[in-house]
Amino acid sequence: EAGVAQSPRYKIIEKRQSVAFWCNPISGHATLYWYQQILGQGPKLLIQFQNNGVVDDSQLPKDRFSAERLKGVDSTLKIQPAKLEDSAVYLCASSLIWEHGELFFGEGSRLTVL
Amino acid sequence: GENVEQHPSTLSVQEGDSAVIKCTYSDSASNYFPWYKQELGKGPQLIIDIRSNVGEKKDQRIAVTLNKTAKHFSLHITETQPEDSAVYFCAASKADNNDMRFGAGTRLTVKP
Repeated sequence: EAGVAQSPRYKIIEKRQSVAFWCNPISGHATLYWYQQILGQGPKLLIQFQNNGVVDDSQLPKDRFSAERLKGVDSTLKIQPAKLEDSAVYLCASSLIWEHGELFFGEGSRLTVL
Repeated sequence: GENVEQHPSTLSVQEGDSAVIKCTYSDSASNYFPWYKQELGKGPQLIIDIRSNVGEKKDQRIAVTLNKTAKHFSLHITETQPEDSAVYFCAASKADNNDMRFGAGTRLTVKP
């Protein structure tokens, strides 16, 4: 079974530029999450989708971050404009069931903002 | 909201010894406590989880204990092997939302 796919793996941009990350979850997984993992910290939830609807985006900095899930499958996370403090690994995860389901993480997209 | 604290931040053990990582949580409504292992350059992977109606769960060399009264839970790894070297995260969530709060992580090094 294929895992969660993310791209790009690495991205370096200058502050105030924009960037987009793509995620393809495990087939059949209705729930999709985007996490931000700053170096030396645990993952922090940014947004959670159930099919193509947003369940929780309370921790998403909406002035610069946006996310969508197309047709309940793939998802994109965009940052515009980027700040230095956005440097982190952006992890996408999916789960088969919504409540307390095992999270399957992708390998992440590492963003460096200069 | 929920706050999860994890200790120690780094742990070094000799191969064959046991390793214990401890976490505390703040929200008494939390009822699901997974542990994830993250290897370098990879995403976290679930290794064991426990729900609040259970005090202990074991899977081969890995066990987790939960003390709901004290609001803390621990990961125990016995007979450690070099391939156990990784960063381990505890997490907590509750039934009415799926906002899983992670601890800051413990970097475990198992020396051969």
